[in-house]
Amino acid sequence: AQSVTQLDSHVSVSEGTPVLLRCNYSSSYSPSLFWYVQHPNKGLQLLLKYTSAATLVKGINGFEAEFKKSETSFHLTKPSAHMSDAAEYFCVVSDIPGGYQKVTFGTGTKLQVIP
Amino acid sequence: DGGITQSPKYLFRKEGQNVTLSCEQNLNHDAMYWYRQDPGQGLRLIYYSQIVNDFQKGDIAEGYSVSREKKESFPLTVTSAQKNPTAFYLCATRERYEQYFGPGTRLTVT
Repeated sequence: AQSVTQLDSHVSVSEGTPVLLRCNYSSSYSPSLFWYVQHPNKGLQLLLKYTSAATLVKGINGFEAEFKKSETSFHLTKPSAHMSDAAEYFCVVSDIPGGYQKVTFGTGTKLQVIP
Repeated sequence: DGGITQSPKYLFRKEGQNVTLSCEQNLNHDAMYWYRQDPGQGLRLIYYSQIVNDFQKGDIAEGYSVSREKKESFPLTVTSAQKNPTAFYLCATRERYEQYFGPGTRLTVT
């Protein structure tokens, strides 16, 4: 079975402070993991991805995430929040049971950045 | 948004009417997907197509239909049988493990 849990539906941080968005997953296979960002009424943009290479993954706009197999986690972090980071973030797990890709999205975390 | 076009951006329809949402891509990707997004529910898969002339139902296919006559195009029809059609619809393509998303169409049915 495949699932994704984003532990916080809303996160609020002050500008210039660190960001932590939490994601736990389950998969019966060796999954690929992704973080996407969505601004209001827009499509999803890929922030970063883990596909069984380095466990610490760096993405765009200063974001990074660490794949921890023992904790089944893939938390997204950024050292210093900018106002432009305010958006909704989705954690995604993907594997290929039986040769067909199955993709599961988390329910999203809305990030608010306070000036 | 890459090479994926969804039109129109906003669409309004009366209840009981079928409506077709357009999705066109120039990324040369074989696989294409339709998702529905509702507040607090993430994305839910409606239909997907691995290759031309083939498509499969996703998790919430009832009330929707698709066609895949060309590699570049994967239109979604929302029929009058869909009980709650008002939502944000996202089209995506896939290359290996990564999905690429269009800008979305917001459909409002009254």
